[in-house]
Amino acid sequence: GQQVMQIPQYQHVQEGEDFTTYCNSSTTLSNIQWYKQRPGGHPVFLIQLVKSGEVKKQKRLTFQFGEAKKNSSLHITATQTTDVGTYFCAGSGANNLFFGTGTRLTVIP
Amino acid sequence: ETGVTQSPTHLIKTRGQQVTLRCSSQSGHNTVSWYQQALGQGPQFIFQYYREEENGRGNFPPRFSGLQFPNYSSELNVNALELDDSALYLCASSFWRGFNGYTFGSGTRLTVV
Repeated sequence: GQQVMQIPQYQHVQEGEDFTTYCNSSTTLSNIQWYKQRPGGHPVFLIQLVKSGEVKKQKRLTFQFGEAKKNSSLHITATQTTDVGTYFCAGSGANNLFFGTGTRLTVIP
Repeated sequence: ETGVTQSPTHLIKTRGQQVTLRCSSQSGHNTVSWYQQALGQGPQFIFQYYREEENGRGNFPPRFSGLQFPNYSSELNVNALELDDSALYLCASSFWRGFNGYTFGSGTRLTVV
């Protein structure tokens, strides 16, 4: 079955440091979506990447889709306490999302 | 524009009982999906409904069933509850299978004792 792994599982950073989470799929993805889930909250859609090698930016967040469309990354520059949460990548199936294992980010003030 | 609303927010049931969870889709969305999220894990796909028909199903037994109504709201029914069914149940709506992302509700926290 389709599997998406994320590393690291946990990341603690000092406020102001950068953060990166990596997502790897066992199969080629048609597209990949990224979600953020705050503690006690629900997943919130951040972005979708479709094209091979695509790079998109949202303020301090940079998303990349690998050339082979089997991996992706999310990079946050100069983390803030508001960035705390779990970041999930999710591959799109025909009618579903298959979520990665998630990276839980803790930002130390 | 209203988001996705789910009810109830919390629920405690006894093993063997049945439960119905409800979801109202975001305005303009015609597809609704249900996910189960165990503590510390990513959401797992249960099924999706489009035009009131099941449009795909994950690796969940038949005792998990659902409905979508003409107004695109939806129900998730779980029969013969087991302890392992304790989880956060998330409803997600989208327009046309989520090609532009899914909007998740706040979820229903189900505890089976």
